[in-house]
Amino acid sequence: KAGVTQTPRYLIKTRGQQVTLSCSPISGHRSVSWYQQTPGQGLQFLFEYFSETQRNKGNFPGRFSGRQFSNSRSEMNVSTLELGDSALYLCASSLSTASTDTQYFGPGTRLTVL
Amino acid sequence: GQSLEQPSEVTAVEGAIVQINCTYQTSGFYGLSWYQQHDGGAPTFLSYNALDGLEETGRFSSFLSRSDSYGYLLLQELQMKDSASYFCAVISNFGNEKLTFGTGTRLTIIP
Repeated sequence: KAGVTQTPRYLIKTRGQQVTLSCSPISGHRSVSWYQQTPGQGLQFLFEYFSETQRNKGNFPGRFSGRQFSNSRSEMNVSTLELGDSALYLCASSLSTASTDTQYFGPGTRLTVL
Repeated sequence: GQSLEQPSEVTAVEGAIVQINCTYQTSGFYGLSWYQQHDGGAPTFLSYNALDGLEETGRFSSFLSRSDSYGYLLLQELQMKDSASYFCAVISNFGNEKLTFGTGTRLTIIP
């Protein structure tokens, strides 16, 4: 069974631009969560999607948004990029929204904002 | 709120045993997970403890004490490839986060 895939793997943008990242979950998994990982803040939860609906959202500004499609694939968008948005963006999939379902992570997208 | 504490760095010798501790504060606690992350890689699930006691999976074991809000990851017969960051993560019904991660422990294995 293929794992979680994320595209692109690396991205360089400039301040003020916007970016869209993509995540394909493990086949059969319907929940997709997004995390931001930085050296200073560690792994921080962005949001979770299930059945095309945002179920939970972390403490990030409205510039961070996402969506999920009927095939469970998910995208996240960051508008008006800031230098501080440089990070590794990880998505994780799980079977359902149950808290005890194991989350499996993709390789991440490394975003650099110049 | 929620908080997790784990040592930032640990160094151990190849072939030896190392224990990485994690203490947490949360409400609505369900369980504690451990993830391994190599440099440039994705976090990889290692173990999940919902009940008190020790769970063993090959060279890795994980322990939980709910009354002490404490857990640890035990790595035996250390190999050079075990050099990585290890994160404990709380699963709870507190707040919006499905998983709340600790800041990670960087484990360095020396020959």
